[in-house]
Amino acid sequence: NAGVTQTPKFQVLKTGQSMTLQCAQDMNHNSMYWYRQDPGMGLRLIYYSASEGTTDKGEVPNGYNVSRLNKREFSLRLESAAPSQTSVYFCASSGHLQETQYFGPGTRLLVL
Amino acid sequence: QKEVEQNSGPLSVPEGAIASLNCTYSDRGSQSFFWYRQYSGKSPELIMFIYSNGDKEDGRFTAQLNKASQYVSLLIRDSQPSDSATYLCAVRSGGGADGLTFGKGTHLIIQP
Repeated sequence: NAGVTQTPKFQVLKTGQSMTLQCAQDMNHNSMYWYRQDPGMGLRLIYYSASEGTTDKGEVPNGYNVSRLNKREFSLRLESAAPSQTSVYFCASSGHLQETQYFGPGTRLLVL
Repeated sequence: QKEVEQNSGPLSVPEGAIASLNCTYSDRGSQSFFWYRQYSGKSPELIMFIYSNGDKEDGRFTAQLNKASQYVSLLIRDSQPSDSATYLCAVRSGGGADGLTFGKGTHLIIQP
């Protein structure tokens, strides 16, 4: 049981480049989330998916898109990266929206 | 705007003593409360959750919730150097239609 996995672990982008962060969980969870963590700002919710086939905006969705590919996978896409998107990105999952969330190891993104 | 407030610290506690971490939240409709521990460079890991007013104990950890005062705390008894980490308070509002709102975390240092 790997839990929540994320790829890549680290990425450097130039301003304007695009990329997709991948997340997968093997816990048969219905709900999945994307957060970003910045020094002094804490963890902030970008997007979430309550169940397969649904996605909703969180606190800071601008500049991002998401895809809930199937029950296991939830990807986050940066269409045109900006230096302000330099951050650590965490994916999380839970059985349902009301339940405990479990986090992946994170992706460290640097946008130059 | 839902807010979760924590003292950023650092909070320095001698080994073997009780560490007390505090958190206040703004949304009176909040129903679920979580404490996560995060080591430097790692992802958040769940320590405890609490839903009802009062105390909840798990080993050396005790979570305390007072909904009337909109206050939740975490006590760590017999503190160990391995408890040195950042502790994140997270709150889920009633309805559960989104992810967690996190505080910025308290940096705890256990001094040998």
